[in-house]
Formats: sequence, C-alpha cells, structure tokens
Amino acid sequence: GENVEQHPSTLSVQEGDSAVIKCTYSDSASNYFPWYKQELGKGPQLIIDIRSNVGEKKDQRIAVTLNKTAKHFSLHITETQPEDSAVYFCAAEGDMRFGAGTRLTVKP
Amino acid sequence: DAGITQSPRHKVTETGTPVTLRCHQTENHRYMYWYRQDPGHGLRLIHYSYGVKDTDKGEVSDGYSVSRSKTEDFLLTLESATSSQTSVYFCAIGPAGLGTEAFFGQGTRLTVV
Repeated sequence: GENVEQHPSTLSVQEGDSAVIKCTYSDSASNYFPWYKQELGKGPQLIIDIRSNVGEKKDQRIAVTLNKTAKHFSLHITETQPEDSAVYFCAAEGDMRFGAGTRLTVKP
Repeated sequence: DAGITQSPRHKVTETGTPVTLRCHQTENHRYMYWYRQDPGHGLRLIHYSYGVKDTDKGEVSDGYSVSRSKTEDFLLTLESATSSQTSVYFCAIGPAGLGTEAFFGQGTRLTVV
C-alpha cells in the first residue's frame, strides 16, 4: 500500500467558521476516497465519500472535493458547531493506511 | 454500529499470556480488519481478511495472528502479550477492499501489565 498524507494534524476554529482538511495519495489507480469521524471513546464512522468520476460531493454542511490530477482530496466543513469537534481520518482505495488524522476543535 | 460486536470491550492481562479478541459481524461483509490505535500513530492495520480462511498482514502484524473460520467471525490473537501491545483495538468490516468504506466496532481497550 501507498501512504496517505493528511494535514493539518490539529485544527482549531471558532464556531461558525469553516474548516478544511487535506489529504494526498500516491496510487493513481485509487477511485474511492472515504472520510471518517471519530468521536471520543468511539470507533471511526464514515461521514462522506467520493468517487473519482465526480469532483465534489456535498451533504449538508460537509463537502469533499477531489483533484485526481494532483492526487489530493479535501474535507470541507462549513458553519462549524461544537459537535463537529472530533478526529477526522481520510483513506484512499487500495491503501492499507489511513491518514494520520486531524483533531478538530470547534470553540464555542 | 453496523452489526459489529467486539469482545471483550476491556481486558487487563499479564505480560507473556495469550489473549484473543473477537469480532463478530451480522452484515455478511467479505472484508474484516483489525486495527490498533495509539496516541500519535492514528489507526494502523494489523491484519485483514478477504474471505473465510483468507487473511493477509497489515503494517504492524508482528506479534499478532488472526483466524477466520466463518464469515461472521474474525479473531485476533496475541500469542504472548507484551506491554507494547497495550492499545485500543478496533475491528472493521466492509464490502470492498482496503481503503474503501468500512464500518468500525466500538473498540477493545487492552492493557498488558
């Protein structure tokens, strides 16, 4: 498997602001990119995913964008709320490694 | 939790003893995974299975073995537990392969003293 790199490792925003987390991958054969949210004391949960035949996908306040040429994809959270505070992980099809995770803190 | 049950949820064991963690699914998914999660290391794949009796190593497989004799059960065994294996262990299941959608269990907190 190839590495999936994720940035930043920590992110702190004010409630109502937007948050962006970026991941890069190396295997150009990857066609599926999921994002997971892990709340304290729980297992990660799939929150959104994107396939390579689209460039962007939205689900209410969260969206994911994909740039296959540059081999990177991003998670966007708008109008952040305290309950968005969690650790977020990205992954890429075919890779055994998740991204290292981003701890998002939303300050009220 | 997508029909995944991990047992036990918590365990304290002594160095050198064997330990088996169980993952049970009711979703009939082909793929099952064992991860460990440690501060500063995120999620690391230990072993995974792509079918009954079909398993492969992940990035941190040393000291661990697995077995899958039925679709619904995936066992992780620490043959001789060490303190470095103190961790939170997550089982996950999925219909497709590595890096695709996966559904995680609640985790097992293992402490080796």
